[in-house]
Amino acid sequence: AQSVTQLDSHVSVSEGTPVLLRCNYSSSYSPSLFWYVQHPNKGLQLLLKYTSAATLVKGINGFEAEFKKSETSFHLTKPSAHMSDAAEYFCVVSDGSGGYNKLIFGAGTRLAVHP
Amino acid sequence: DTEVTQTPKHLVMGMTNKKSLKCEQHMGHRAMYWYKQKAKKPPELMFVYSYEKLSINESVPSRFSPECPNSSLLNLHLHALQPEDSALYLCASSQEPGDRQPQHFGDGTRLSIL
Repeated sequence: AQSVTQLDSHVSVSEGTPVLLRCNYSSSYSPSLFWYVQHPNKGLQLLLKYTSAATLVKGINGFEAEFKKSETSFHLTKPSAHMSDAAEYFCVVSDGSGGYNKLIFGAGTRLAVHP
Repeated sequence: DTEVTQTPKHLVMGMTNKKSLKCEQHMGHRAMYWYKQKAKKPPELMFVYSYEKLSINESVPSRFSPECPNSSLLNLHLHALQPEDSALYLCASSQEPGDRQPQHFGDGTRLSIL
């Protein structure tokens, strides 16, 4: 069975400093991995996706993530945080084994950005 | 701006009311999904439609009744809901059932049961 663990429930950074949100996955085969962001009272917006191409994936709004098979990790980073980055972030693995596109969500990481 | 449109954005209803949530996408996606999201939790899958047919029901109570009138529309009919059904209801779509591509989400309907 596939699973996702987000290692931090809350992360707090100052504006202009780097962001690191950690995610580990468990998968019996080559996974498809995503990061989504959810701002208050909004739906989930796709930040980036890994689907077995390049291991360093660039997404929207300056975010990127690196797929490391040896560490079963898919951490999300951004060089410089902006106030508008404050939101909930979900690491997600896609499990297609049941004949449909089932998303397995991590518990989420709440990112706070301070001036 | 999201490519999946949900209406209404907010809904307050009593436990005896009947109401419907609507979801629309024009991306030609053939799989559509309903999720329920409680505060500070990830979304939980409720239903999956593949090529306009219900393919997955995650043991959802019968007071929630999904409908897919055509390939672009998805409805969720609500009847005799309970206070614990108050949540954000999200609709999503993806290109094909069974692929492992990301799903595209709407902004949701915030439902409050009095």
